[in-house]
Amino acid sequence: NAGVTQTPKFQVLKTGQSMTLQCAQDMNHEYMSWYRQDPGMGLRLIHYSVGAGITDQGEVPNGYNVSRSTTEDFPLRLLSAAPSQTSVYFCASSKNRGLGTGELFFGEGSRLTVL
Amino acid sequence: GENVEQHPSTLSVQEGDSAVIKCTYSDSASNYFPWYKQELGKRPQLIIDIRSNVGEKKDQRIAVTLNKTAKHFSLHITETQPEDSAVYFCAAPQPGYSTLTFGKGTMLLVSP
Repeated sequence: NAGVTQTPKFQVLKTGQSMTLQCAQDMNHEYMSWYRQDPGMGLRLIHYSVGAGITDQGEVPNGYNVSRSTTEDFPLRLLSAAPSQTSVYFCASSKNRGLGTGELFFGEGSRLTVL
Repeated sequence: GENVEQHPSTLSVQEGDSAVIKCTYSDSASNYFPWYKQELGKRPQLIIDIRSNVGEKKDQRIAVTLNKTAKHFSLHITETQPEDSAVYFCAAPQPGYSTLTFGKGTMLLVSP
């Protein structure tokens, strides 16, 4: 099993550009999520999904879109990048019924810089 | 929703000392409390968790204690080693258990 795979690992964007961070898991987990990590701010939830076709907003959803067309994939889209979106992004999945009930498996992270 | 406070934000100890990190939470209905370790440049990984039907759980040099009355839980690391140096995050579930809320993290530095 590869676990949770994120691409790209590094990306530099200009303000106003759009891009998609890819996340795929091969553990047949129903629950997937995206977090951003900023210095001194911990891990903050952007969006999450409890299954294919179902998504919901987390703590900091503005400026991001998600979709969940398959169990395996959960891409995160930045529609018009802003410098405030400079961060490290982590995708995570869980086999448990609810992301708040069991272990989260994280991807390696994607470091995004917006100039 | 759930609010998680974590202290201290940084902790420096000498190798062999013990380290304690404390978290408080706000939702008295929460019953699952994990701790994650993140080494520099790596992904967070679960190191230990506790559910509210127990007050303490141990795994070799690490332990977690839970005080539901006071709504706080703590991570204890004994006989610290340089490889314990990392950022540690506590977390608690949001109502409904659909998501986790993380504390802001504690940077632990263990000096040889």
